Amino acid sequence: KAGVTQTPRYLIKTRGQQVTLSCSPISGHRSVSWYQQTPGQGLQFLFEYFSETQRNKGNFPGRFSGRQFSNSRSEMNVSTLELGDSALYLCASSLGGGGYQPQHFGDGTRLSIL
Amino acid sequence: AQSVAQPEDQVNVAEGNPLTVKCTYSVSGNPYLFWYVQYPNRGLQFLLKYITGDNLVKGSYGFEAEFNKSQTSFHLKKPSALVSDSALYFCAVTLRGDDKIIFGKGTRLHILP
Repeated sequence: KAGVTQTPRYLIKTRGQQVTLSCSPISGHRSVSWYQQTPGQGLQFLFEYFSETQRNKGNFPGRFSGRQFSNSRSEMNVSTLELGDSALYLCASSLGGGGYQPQHFGDGTRLSIL
Repeated sequence: AQSVAQPEDQVNVAEGNPLTVKCTYSVSGNPYLFWYVQYPNRGLQFLLKYITGDNLVKGSYGFEAEFNKSQTSFHLKKPSALVSDSALYFCAVTLRGDDKIIFGKGTRLHILP
């Protein structure tokens, strides 16, 4: 079974631009979560989608948004990029429903802001 | 509010020695507990989980963890460390019925040859 796929793996943008990251979950997984990982702040939860609905949201500004499609694929968008948005963005999928299913992570998109 | 604490930023262990990576949690209900490992330039990989039943759970790569309800701890252990175990380890918790997962800040494990 194919794992979680994130594209692109690496991205370089400049301040003020916007970016869209893509995540294809494991087949059959309906829950997709996004995380930001930086050396200083560690792993921070952005949001979680289940069956196209945002179920949980972390403490990030409105510049960070996401969506999930009917095939469970998800995208994350960051507008008006800032230097501090440089990070590894991780997507994780799970079967969802009850909290006991482990999350399966992609290898991330490393975003660098110049 | 739920929280997970990993009190050590880094743990150094000599190859062949037993290792322990500590995790304590604070939740208002019954938790599900997880350990994940992250290798450089990779996503997190699931190692093991505690759902219910036996307090000692075994997982991938020879790792195990012990759930201690009275101490609200879920320490990760391995009897004999390998250099290849060097990585970043995350403890995580969810509540029954809620898929929102809370991660600890991570512990970097260095196994010295």
